[in-house]
Order: sequence, then C-alpha cells, then structure tokens
Amino acid sequence: ETGVTQTPRHLVMGMTNKKSLKCEQHLGHNAMYWYKQSAKKPLELMFVYNFKEQTENNSVPSRFSPECPNSSHLFLHLHTLQPEDSALYLCASSQTGVHGYTFGSGTRLTVV
Amino acid sequence: SQQGEEDPQALSIQEGENATMNCSYKTSINNLQWYRQNSGRGLVHLILIRSNEREKHSGRLRVTLDTSKKSSSLLITASRAADTASYFCATDKGAQGGSEKLVFGKGTKLTVNP
Repeated sequence: ETGVTQTPRHLVMGMTNKKSLKCEQHLGHNAMYWYKQSAKKPLELMFVYNFKEQTENNSVPSRFSPECPNSSHLFLHLHTLQPEDSALYLCASSQTGVHGYTFGSGTRLTVV
Repeated sequence: SQQGEEDPQALSIQEGENATMNCSYKTSINNLQWYRQNSGRGLVHLILIRSNEREKHSGRLRVTLDTSKKSSSLLITASRAADTASYFCATDKGAQGGSEKLVFGKGTKLTVNP
C-alpha cells in the first residue's frame, strides 16, 4: 500500500454505461492527479486538482468528468465511453514543496 | 506534449550486470525524476535530481543529469531479477500554483534474467 488507494482495480463497461473511478489518499497531500496509460504511449496527464480546485484539464473529452470533493478524494466519472478509452487509469498525489508523486495501483478499464 | 523520451525501449540483461537507461527532454526543467512500474501497477518514485545537480546516488541507483544536452541516465548496478520492471523519466518545470505537473516518457522495459 502506497497511501493512495484506487477502486475498483478492474472495470469492464459497455459504451452506454455510467461508472465512476475512485481515488483516496491518506497522506495529507494537497494535489491530486488523474493519468491515463495506454499501451505503447506515454502517460497522459488528464486532470490536476490542488486544494480541491481544478488547475489543469488537458483537453480531456467531456465523457470524462472529474470530481474532487476534498483534498483526500478524487473521482473520475465515466459515461458513453469508446473502446479506445480502454487503458490503465492512474491516480497520484503530491505535496507542495515535496517533490515526487505517490501513485495508486490503478484501475484497468476495458470498454466493450 | 511529450517531454521525456527514454531509450532503449527495451533492455534485457543477466542478473549481476549493470543496466543503463537514458532519457532526453526538450525544454528547461526544474528537476527530473525516475519512476519504476511493475507490470500493470502504479508507478513508484525512485529518485529526483535537481537542475543544478549533476549526479545523485541512492543505493544501487545512480542518476546523472546533463542540462546542456538535456539528457539524464539511470544506472542500476548489480541488477537482480526483482529489478524487472518498466522505468520512466519525468520532467518537472516547477510547481505551478502549488502543484507539480510531471510529463512522463514512454519508458524502458527492463528484463533481468536469473
């Protein structure tokens, strides 16, 4: 356990489904991130939240909707996804002035 | 936009040998970090080197940074089968508004054969 917990670990969903990914950190960090990792591509930064305010949206399609109710929790709401959205979705957190991310184990998403 | 780019893409060595991975980047940075990822899992932070540092050690890891060439290398000495993983470099331009914004490369897949 790294201190960043992601659920579920695996998710299979149809293109018409709505599902949510959850990330929770118990490290007291102020910033949280969503990354997408697809095969043979670099990790893609999706969203950044700092003190629960969104500071970065890296041109992510609106079918991905983040929510950060507090500095410890981050959600990624999914709806009407496409098969190419299948990937490993990684959550990370960090603390201002202390460099380096702490990652969760990720959610392996398959869209069918 | 992609910042770090590792090479080689894949590296296979025998246990006990040293493994060297390289990373090149394009723009100025505040620091460069290396991460490790076991198959299908999250990334683990290994080591950070600041832009004003040239070399850093941590256990069997040695990282160098050449800002004039915009490149870094990660050396793992006396490799073990348990070092088998993918290794990523990530560049940080500096905290913006209190949060980092790391840009990762595609990674080097290291296989250490027993």
